[in-house]
Amino acid sequence: AQKVTQAQTEISVVEKEDVTLDCVYETRDTTYYLFWYKQPPSGELVFLIRRNSFDEQNEISGRYSWNFQKSTSSFNFTITASQVVDSAVYFCALILKRVNLQGGSEKLVFGKGTKLTVNP
Amino acid sequence: DVKVTQSSRYLVKRTGEKVFLECVQDMDHENMFWYRQDPGLGLRLIYFSYDVKMKEKGDIPEGYSVSREKKERFSLILESASTNQTSMYLCASSLFGRAGILFYEQYFGPGTRLTVT
Repeated sequence: AQKVTQAQTEISVVEKEDVTLDCVYETRDTTYYLFWYKQPPSGELVFLIRRNSFDEQNEISGRYSWNFQKSTSSFNFTITASQVVDSAVYFCALILKRVNLQGGSEKLVFGKGTKLTVNP
Repeated sequence: DVKVTQSSRYLVKRTGEKVFLECVQDMDHENMFWYRQDPGLGLRLIYFSYDVKMKEKGDIPEGYSVSREKKERFSLILESASTNQTSMYLCASSLFGRAGILFYEQYFGPGTRLTVT
């Protein structure tokens, strides 16, 4: 079964602290893609990163970094020097392999999300 | 920038009404999706479409139908709204896989918060 677990339901930090959001996934597929999304209080889900199963290089984008480890089936997200604007719910997601030969039957499996609060 | 728009941010309907939720994307994406988001249940896929007039059921299609007559527009229809359909509805779109990338990221609209009384 495909599954994404975000064990941390809520995290609260003080501004400028570093924070890591955990994501553990389960899949039997050898080819899969992982994503992180941010959902600020306004409600719109914002895409942050896409990673495929063959690319284990870590990624850094400004204060954001991602650590992908196939050996532990984890795709963790770290925010360095957190800011109040980082306060949001963060979702990790796994996409299932296409099952419809005609086209693009895709299903994004989301974790339950981690609510991050950054206090001034 | 990808733009996915939804017809309403907030909607209040009565039980038994037929409800239309509209979604439009401007990036020529082949795939479009409807999700609902509920506290404690996360995001659940209702329906998916990978082409005009094509649709696939998601996890929770009961009580819903969809229509995709044009590539840029994907409508979610609640045939007879019920109180258990009170939720946040999110539309998304993505490119079909190409150029060595099997799956592209989905871009989401701002959501429609539907209340059925």
